[in-house]
Amino acid sequence: EAGVVQSPRYKIIEKKQPVAFWCNPISGHNTLYWYLQNLGQGPELLIRYENEEAVDDSQLPKDRFSAERLKGVDSTLKIQPAELGDSAVYLCASSLGLAGYNEQFFGPGTRLTVL
Amino acid sequence: ILNVEQSPQSLHVQEGDSTNFTCSFPSSNFYALHWYRWETAKSPEALFVMTLNGDEKKKGRISATLNTKEGYSYLYIKGSQPEDSATYLCALREGGSEKLVFGKGTKLTVNP
Repeated sequence: EAGVVQSPRYKIIEKKQPVAFWCNPISGHNTLYWYLQNLGQGPELLIRYENEEAVDDSQLPKDRFSAERLKGVDSTLKIQPAELGDSAVYLCASSLGLAGYNEQFFGPGTRLTVL
Repeated sequence: ILNVEQSPQSLHVQEGDSTNFTCSFPSSNFYALHWYRWETAKSPEALFVMTLNGDEKKKGRISATLNTKEGYSYLYIKGSQPEDSATYLCALREGGSEKLVFGKGTKLTVNP
């Protein structure tokens, strides 16, 4: 079974440029998460989708970050414009849903460097 | 703010050593505790989901225990191998919340 796929794996951009990350969850997983992991910190939730609906985006900085999951399958996270402080690893995860203990399966992440 | 703490922050051991580290969390409103292993350049891998006070789970040389009354979980690695080198993350889910709150992780390096 294919795991969570993310691309690109690495991205280097200059500040003020836009950037987008793509995630394809495990087939059949209704719930999709985007996390931000700063150096030396644990992953922090940015946004959670149930199918195509964003049900928790309280931690998403909406002035520059946006996300979509139009058909309830794959998802894109965008930053426009990027700032130096956005350098981090962006992780995508998926789960079957909220039933049970919500085991989340992670992709390998996209490491963003903003110069 | 929900605080999940992991200690130590980093750990260096020799191949063959056994080791353990701690995840501490608020004991009220506990629902589940997750342990993940994250090797460099790979996806975080789920190790255990701990749900009941007194739970003990084992996967090969790795085991974990849970004490929900005092708010901690221990992860043990017996006979560490270089391939165990990774960051070990714990994450708490509280009752009534769908959110996982992660600790900062313990970075383990096993020297051959």
